[in-house]
Amino acid sequence: SQTIHQWPATLVQPVGSPLSLECTVEGTSNPNLYWYRQAAGRGLQLLFYSVGIGQISSEVPQNLSASRPQDRQFILSSKKLLLSDSGFYLCAWVQDGGYNEQFFGPGTRLTVL
Amino acid sequence: SQELEQSPQSLIVQEGKNLTINCTSSKTLYGLYWYKQKYGEGLIFLMMLQKGGEEKSHEKITAKLDEKKQQSSLHITASQPSHAGIYLCGAGLFSGSARQLTFGSGTQLTVLP
Repeated sequence: SQTIHQWPATLVQPVGSPLSLECTVEGTSNPNLYWYRQAAGRGLQLLFYSVGIGQISSEVPQNLSASRPQDRQFILSSKKLLLSDSGFYLCAWVQDGGYNEQFFGPGTRLTVL
Repeated sequence: SQELEQSPQSLIVQEGKNLTINCTSSKTLYGLYWYKQKYGEGLIFLMMLQKGGEEKSHEKITAKLDEKKQQSSLHITASQPSHAGIYLCGAGLFSGSARQLTFGSGTQLTVLP
């Protein structure tokens, strides 16, 4: 069966510090991968998605970047965090082809102070 | 403006009562997905609707997609405290984009025992 992992689960970082959040998927190959951010009381905002290794599409201009160094690994990064980067970050995957549902990881709660 | 409108934003019901959550778009919905989220956790997939007029049920939860494929409803019968959480609808908003989902802002459901 497929599983998706995210770490860390929670993170508190000072403004201006770097960020690296990791997402890995097991039990599947060549998935589409997604990074979402969920601000308090709001829905999900798609940040990045990837259809393959090294292929990243950005949905909104921002202080963040994403990379996909391996087929089942998706990394969200920042060189210098802003207060507005605080939120709940969710990684998701979907098997390519058709209208398959996305499966979500447990999320990372990021607080920037 | 929000491309997927969810209503109500929050809902408080007494245990045993029925309730309905709506998800509306001005564009045709290609693949409509309902998810449930416990606070601070990832999203759990509930159901996916694709065809106009389609209806699916799982235990006490029924989801419908209207014939025009612009509105979906999620109905819970005889609600229980275990139904509490945030319900989000997600949809592809143009053909071929179902793997890129736009999400509504969510409905916070509280079920009072």
